[in-house]
Amino acid sequence: SQQGEEDPQALSIQEGENATMNCSYKTSINNLQWYRQNSGRGLVHLILIRSNEREKHSGRLRVTLDTSKKSSSLLITASRAADTASYFCATYGAGSYQLTFGKGTKLSVIP
Amino acid sequence: GAVVSQHPSWVICKSGTSVKIECRSLDFQATTMFWYRQFPKQSLMLMATSNEGSKATYEQGVEKDKFLINHASLTLSTLTVTSAHPEDSSFYICSALLATYGNEQFFGPGTRLTVL
Repeated sequence: SQQGEEDPQALSIQEGENATMNCSYKTSINNLQWYRQNSGRGLVHLILIRSNEREKHSGRLRVTLDTSKKSSSLLITASRAADTASYFCATYGAGSYQLTFGKGTKLSVIP
Repeated sequence: GAVVSQHPSWVICKSGTSVKIECRSLDFQATTMFWYRQFPKQSLMLMATSNEGSKATYEQGVEKDKFLINHASLTLSTLTVTSAHPEDSSFYICSALLATYGNEQFFGPGTRLTVL
């Protein structure tokens, strides 16, 4: 069953603003990953955060993980038009190699 | 490294025909590959897990006789959509598991299937 649930489903911001997307999941996880997908294209892996980590940074990306609330957030700072894409969280269940994807957030960055 | 390719990138076929989609790990061996389907404006849904040298494991609700998976080598898995119908039109994405990289999945660029 689908685990991750992102909100908002769609987000529209001006270039230069920060974008925050949230993800919730239902069961225990080993790690949580965020992916980006440009329209009609494949997935690009952005960042992985392990279950024993609370925060992770990669360039303009900041991911937090709260295992007590079973939630994660992805922050993109100083957004650019090129950040326009759909963003998905995905989780591996404990002892599983299968990824379960959330519904995604469609981000539009207006130049 | 860790590049996964898919072929074709898009295909249009007539209803009732069969379509084969290839997924290749270009620079690593993958005993496990995964096939996902993504309908417009929706998320990826796992269809099946493809294991080299053995039968694929299908997710609930996915017809194994309609979506034939063959993982004949450590670098190639194929998905054949048999007797395709318009409702099979979707974006099909594969991924390959790299065991030496923390079991991370690397995704192909996807195949857009349109059934007329």
